[in-house]
Amino acid sequence: AQSVTQLGSHVSVSEGALVLLRCNYSSSVPPYLFWYVQYPNQGLQLLLKYTTGATLVKGINGFEAEFKKSETSFHLTKPSAHMSDAAEYFCAVSAAGGTSYGKLTFGQGTILTVHP
Amino acid sequence: DAGVTQSPTHLIKTRGQQVTLRCSPKSGHDTVSWYQQALGQGPQFIFQYYEEEERQRGNFPDRFSGHQFPNYSSELNVNALLLGDSALYLCASRKVGGSPLHFGNGTRLTVT
Repeated sequence: AQSVTQLGSHVSVSEGALVLLRCNYSSSVPPYLFWYVQYPNQGLQLLLKYTTGATLVKGINGFEAEFKKSETSFHLTKPSAHMSDAAEYFCAVSAAGGTSYGKLTFGQGTILTVHP
Repeated sequence: DAGVTQSPTHLIKTRGQQVTLRCSPKSGHDTVSWYQQALGQGPQFIFQYYEEEERQRGNFPDRFSGHQFPNYSSELNVNALLLGDSALYLCASRKVGGSPLHFGNGTRLTVT
């Protein structure tokens, strides 16, 4: 079984400040990990993913995340927030490989607000 | 290159009715997954179709059923609608052995 916990349902930052969105996961098998972003009235857009290999992964729009197995974490960061980053962010986990890749378990989401 | 397309975008139904939602996967994709996203929640996995068969299923009752066609498009059917079925229904596709999931913009279902 797999689960995801996103710490903080709402995060507020100033434009230009560091963005840190926290995600912890639980998985009985080696996980694949994902961050998705959702803008109002839209579907989910993939920001980045970890499958195997390098534990620091870079995504679109300047976001990156680090897989820390010992801490079962996959926190999302961006050095400098932009107004356009305001959205809801979801962390997700799946089992590795095959058709399991299509079954994601999502966290509850974190709404990011960016103040001018 | 068209992404994942879903229809309709919005739908209003009455309790007890049946509904069918449709999804066309991204070009080149062969696997379709369906998710339910209630207001203020993360998406929850309903089921996944590959080679016209249901391959995995989440914790949803049998009132939720689906189908995948030879052209890889898919339908989600919900019978005997309940108020609690009101949600955004998301379709996602991928190619087995290839890309991660690509999501459509969803169908907003309201049950009154």
